[in-house]
Amino acid sequence: QKEVEQNSGPLSVPEGAIASLNCTYSDRGSQSFFWYRQYSGKSPELIMFIYSNGDKEDGRFTAQLNKASQYVSLLIRDSQPSDSATYLCAVKNSGGSNYKLTFGKGTLLTVNP
Amino acid sequence: DGGITQSPKYLFRKEGQNVTLSCEQNLNHDAMYWYRQDPGQGLRLIYYSQIVNDFQKGDIAEGYSVSREKKESFPLTVTSAQKNPTAFYLCASSATSGTGQPQHFGDGTRLSIL
Repeated sequence: QKEVEQNSGPLSVPEGAIASLNCTYSDRGSQSFFWYRQYSGKSPELIMFIYSNGDKEDGRFTAQLNKASQYVSLLIRDSQPSDSATYLCAVKNSGGSNYKLTFGKGTLLTVNP
Repeated sequence: DGGITQSPKYLFRKEGQNVTLSCEQNLNHDAMYWYRQDPGQGLRLIYYSQIVNDFQKGDIAEGYSVSREKKESFPLTVTSAQKNPTAFYLCASSATSGTGQPQHFGDGTRLSIL
């Protein structure tokens, strides 16, 4: 069973701080990794994806991937109250030709004004 | 605008009744997916389809059925065999070529038992 693990939180940070969200995965052959944001009662929306080791930056968001450690993280700089949401990590399974993703259960982030 | 449309937004099922959730996309994506989300459970894959007229069971397919007669449409039927259907149902689609292939989601359907 391919697994994706996230701390459920809640993770609470003050406004303006850096929020760090972490994710580990069990399938060593996984190639693509995704971060989604889900506001309460809404559907997930894609924030970023990464498939090469290292960092990928997009505005206030930075995704970090370490395939050797099977670890992917999302950093949110200058956190805003509007960033308060559940963040889902998703991993594209290796093998075959399917395009399935395995999702973690999500980390609830609260940014306090 | 390109996107994924799910309907209805809210749905109520009576005991013994089958109900069908609609999912339509105009993103020209080949692959489509149905997920179920329960509180604290994350997203669980029900069925997926990578091409018209073909679909595969996901992790929790029992009590559900799908069809894929058109590229744009992937309806999900929740049958009376699904004894605990109350959940948030999410439809997604993705491309099947190129790097990444992220999945994009519709707004979801909330299903409850009357």
